[in-house]
Amino acid sequence: GAVVSQHPSWVICKSGTSVKIECRSLDFQATTMFWYRQFPKQSLMLMATSNEGSKATYEQGVEKDKFLINHASLTLSTLTVTSAHPEDSSFYICSASASGKGYFGPGTRLTVT
Amino acid sequence: GQQLNQSPQSMFIQEGEDVSMNCTSSSIFNTWLWYKQDPGEGPVLLIALYKAGELTSNGRLTAQFGITRKDSFLNISASIPSDVGIYFCAHFGNEKLTFGTGTRLTIIP
Repeated sequence: GAVVSQHPSWVICKSGTSVKIECRSLDFQATTMFWYRQFPKQSLMLMATSNEGSKATYEQGVEKDKFLINHASLTLSTLTVTSAHPEDSSFYICSASASGKGYFGPGTRLTVT
Repeated sequence: GQQLNQSPQSMFIQEGEDVSMNCTSSSIFNTWLWYKQDPGEGPVLLIALYKAGELTSNGRLTAQFGITRKDSFLNISASIPSDVGIYFCAHFGNEKLTFGTGTRLTIIP
């Protein structure tokens, strides 16, 4: 149990375009999901907490107008990187909590050219 | 904010050797989590610790919740090639998960 999926696995986009990443909890409901970003050889850094039915909570330094989060249902949260730039290229990972433990999606690698 | 420092940063060992790594925090924790991340994948939960002094095993992996509640240890016995990856300690608090700096394990053929 506690499976989290992400789509797509890898996306390449041109600078200035927007990209949407989906995170789904497949076999449980998640009122809260988390979005992380991981640069090469670094740890995971929390970007924001996605709350079903309400606004996301962003960590300090993360632009909420650039990284749009929508938690439309108890099993789906989306992260949209708007007007992407090469410096946004990173590995984006979502997670959802069940029974006090965090379960992670497989990640989405974003490359902005 | 909370900082979780892991040591060592990287390890290079031969197959069959035992591995030990630790994680220290600046705060007292009530839980410790250990994750493994394979290249290009999301982290996978290995072991969860909920009680100071607790020792928990998962196959060849053993993790301990330090008595001071500010540290935790992960041991891997008789390492095998698929143990390669990055190991993260983590703490779930204030409704979010905070990760350690990571220990990268490489197995030398």
